[in-house]
Amino acid sequence: AQSVTQPDIHITVSEGASLELRCNYSYGATPYLFWYVQSPGQGLQLLLKYFSGDTLVQGIKGFEAEFKRSQSSFNLRKPSVHWSDAAEYFCAAGGATNKLIFGTGTLLAVQP
Amino acid sequence: DTAVSQTPKYLVTQMGNDKSIKCEQNLGHDTMYWYKQDSKKFLKIMFSYNNKELIINETVPNRFSPKSPDKAHLNLHINSLELGDSAVYFCASSQSLSKAGELFFGEGSRLTVL
Repeated sequence: AQSVTQPDIHITVSEGASLELRCNYSYGATPYLFWYVQSPGQGLQLLLKYFSGDTLVQGIKGFEAEFKRSQSSFNLRKPSVHWSDAAEYFCAAGGATNKLIFGTGTLLAVQP
Repeated sequence: DTAVSQTPKYLVTQMGNDKSIKCEQNLGHDTMYWYKQDSKKFLKIMFSYNNKELIINETVPNRFSPKSPDKAHLNLHINSLELGDSAVYFCASSQSLSKAGELFFGEGSRLTVL
């Protein structure tokens, strides 16, 4: 069955520290991969996407993600976290069925 | 100008009632969706419409009936509400079916069934 796993439910980092949020997928073929961010009381916003080609993709707000086929992973990274990055982050996978499958989210807290 | 707007933002109602949530997008997109986010933040697609045509209908009880009067609007009507329907319902749109992963979300409608 298709699935997206985010192993970390909750992560706390200090402001200015680097960040890596993990995402693993299980899919029949290489899916399209996405990261979304949800601030409290808001809808989700697309941070970045991977379809094919360069395995390191850049997104908005200084985020990047790396696709690793051998590990079925698409981890999100940011070199220096800002307090405004505190939010819930969702990894998602999709393909020809046009249905996005979301992970269960990772809640990021940022300490001053 | 809000790209995807849904109303109401909050709904509190009794079991057995019927309620509707409305959604409008002003992005000129062809495809619209309803997603349900449960109390554990798990997000799952319910329906999608492309140019007013139903494309995806997940295993959702038939108490849930979407309606798309035009491609800018997708409403969700729920009959005979149950406690388990309590959730946040998100409307979303994408430019086309082929861009189904690049979603623009509304702010959500939090439904509480008492």
